[in-house]
Amino acid sequence: AQSVTQLGSHVSVSEGALVLLRCNYSSSVPPYLFWYVQYPNQGLQLLLKYTTGATLVKGINGFEAEFKKSETSFHLTKPSAHMSDAAEYFCAVREGGSQGNLIFGKGTKLSVKP
Amino acid sequence: NAGVTQTPKFQVLKTGQSMTLQCAQDMNHEYMSWYRQDPGMGLRLIHYSVGAGITDQGEVPNGYNVSRSTTEDFPLRLLSAAPSQTSVYFCASSYFPPHGTGGRETQYFGPGTRLLVL
Repeated sequence: AQSVTQLGSHVSVSEGALVLLRCNYSSSVPPYLFWYVQYPNQGLQLLLKYTTGATLVKGINGFEAEFKKSETSFHLTKPSAHMSDAAEYFCAVREGGSQGNLIFGKGTKLSVKP
Repeated sequence: NAGVTQTPKFQVLKTGQSMTLQCAQDMNHEYMSWYRQDPGMGLRLIHYSVGAGITDQGEVPNGYNVSRSTTEDFPLRLLSAAPSQTSVYFCASSYFPPHGTGGRETQYFGPGTRLLVL
């Protein structure tokens, strides 16, 4: 069975500081990995995804994530936080190569202090 | 192209009432799914469908029914609402390209329906 663990339900950073949101997954087969962002009272928007190929994936809004198979991790980073990055972020996993369902982590709420 | 639409945006029900949450997509996607989002729980899959006439249960199906009579629509029915079903419900529509075609899979979420059961 697949699962996702997001470390830290709430992360707070200062504007301009590095953003690091942690995601570890469990999967018995090669996974597809996703990061979604949810702004207050809105739906989910795909930030980036890893399927195959290059392990460093660049997404929208300056975010990127690196798939590390040995660490079963897919941490999300951004070099310099903006106030507009304040939102909730969800990591998700799906069985690679299949039409399976997404398994979501519990989410990490990012606050950005001025 | 409207993407994924959900109605209503917000609904208040009394315990025991029934209602249907509507979801429609205009992208001709075969795969559709329903999730519920609760604080601290992330999104959990309720039901999904891989095409018209085919549905299956997800992680938390109890208390919900679905049907898929057309490719476009995937309604979620609450037969007898309970306070535990107070949540935000998201519908999603996905496209998975055939193997070897090089196509890109895509997934779109609707804007959500906020449901309060008293």
